[in-house]
Amino acid sequence: EAGVAQSPRYKIIEKRQSVAFWCNPISGHATLYWYQQILGQGPKLLIQFQNNGVVDDSQLPKDRFSAERLKGVDSTLKIQPAKLEDSAVYLCASSLDSPDEQYFGPGTRLTVT
Amino acid sequence: SQKIEQNSEALNIQEGKTATLTCNYTNYSPAYLQWYRQDPGRGPVFLLLIRENEKEKRKERLKVTFDTTLKQSLFHITASQPADSATYLCALDPASGGSYIPTFGRGTSLIVHP
Repeated sequence: EAGVAQSPRYKIIEKRQSVAFWCNPISGHATLYWYQQILGQGPKLLIQFQNNGVVDDSQLPKDRFSAERLKGVDSTLKIQPAKLEDSAVYLCASSLDSPDEQYFGPGTRLTVT
Repeated sequence: SQKIEQNSEALNIQEGKTATLTCNYTNYSPAYLQWYRQDPGRGPVFLLLIRENEKEKRKERLKVTFDTTLKQSLFHITASQPADSATYLCALDPASGGSYIPTFGRGTSLIVHP
């Protein structure tokens, strides 16, 4: 089966610019996660969707980050405006249900200059 | 405050030995605990999931234990190989309002020397 797809793989932007990341989960997976992983740290959950509803977004900086999962399939994560501290790898994962084993995409490496 | 602790120092072992990685947690009551492997530049890969009512789970050369009294999980790789070198992450799934919210530790780097 195809894995979790993410794009772009790399992105370099200047601070105060905006950026969007896209994720296509494994077909049939109801749960979708967005994580932020800073170098040397573990993934930090930003938002968790169950189908197209939000399960948890307590760690999402809502003044600048937004995410949506239209039709319960693909998802986008947006940052506007970006700050230097947003430089990280943004990982998308999906699972059949929650809790369950998560399948991760390759991530998007964001550099904010 | 809630905390997940994994050894920040890399674990260096010789090929063929058993590697043991530790995951300690405080102020959580996880219903599930998972272990993942992460290679540089890649997303984590799922290895094992263990439930709070399970003491031990095995998969090929991997073994996980879960002690809810000690608030600790141990992850063992027997007959380790250089290909096992990677960062290993533990993740808790504490229940919150009927939902399970995964929380990851920072991971421990394992280096297996030939």
